[in-house]
Amino acid sequence: NAGVTQTPKFRVLKTGQSMTLLCAQDMNHEYMYWYRQDPGMGLRLIHYSVGEGTTAKGEVPDGYNVSRLKKQNFLLGLESAAPSQTSVYFCASSYVPASRAFFGQGTRLTVV
Amino acid sequence: EDQVTQSPEALRLQEGESSSLNCSYTVSGLRGLFWYRQDPGKGPEFLFTLYSAGEEKEKERLKATLTKKESFLHITAPKPEDSATYLCAVCARGGGTSYGKLTFGQGTILTVHP
Repeated sequence: NAGVTQTPKFRVLKTGQSMTLLCAQDMNHEYMYWYRQDPGMGLRLIHYSVGEGTTAKGEVPDGYNVSRLKKQNFLLGLESAAPSQTSVYFCASSYVPASRAFFGQGTRLTVV
Repeated sequence: EDQVTQSPEALRLQEGESSSLNCSYTVSGLRGLFWYRQDPGKGPEFLFTLYSAGEEKEKERLKATLTKKESFLHITAPKPEDSATYLCAVCARGGGTSYGKLTFGQGTILTVHP
């Protein structure tokens, strides 16, 4: 049982480049989340999805886009990367909102 | 706007020295409060869910409690392997665009010295 898998695990981008982070879960969860984690700031919600085909903005959505075309996948896109987007990104999923969330191992992104 | 504030930011304990971590929250209606543990370089791992004031849950040396405004994570006789960042999160009952939103605090970094 793989749980939540994030791809890639590490990436270095140049300012202005674009990329997509992939999150895949094999638990048939409805809810999926993308967070970024910066030192001293905990986990901040970027975007989330309450089901296939739905997305919603979190606390810090600017500069990011998401898509949930398939229930098991949640994609996070950076159209034009900026150094301020250097962070560790975590994906999570849960069956219902008040149930435990399962997290991936994170993607460490550096924008130079 | 849902808010979660954890204190202290960092806590250093001697092995065996019991203490508590605090999580204060403001939500329109609490659907659930969660505690997670995060080790360096890894994703958060689930510890507890609390749903209503007065509820308590225990696991080994950890005990989580909940009131209408805050939650405590009590650590009894900690060991060095309990060293980690402990995260608190809330899920509110809000509808519309708030439905399903999971909001985290900034975490407490716990270090237990042998």
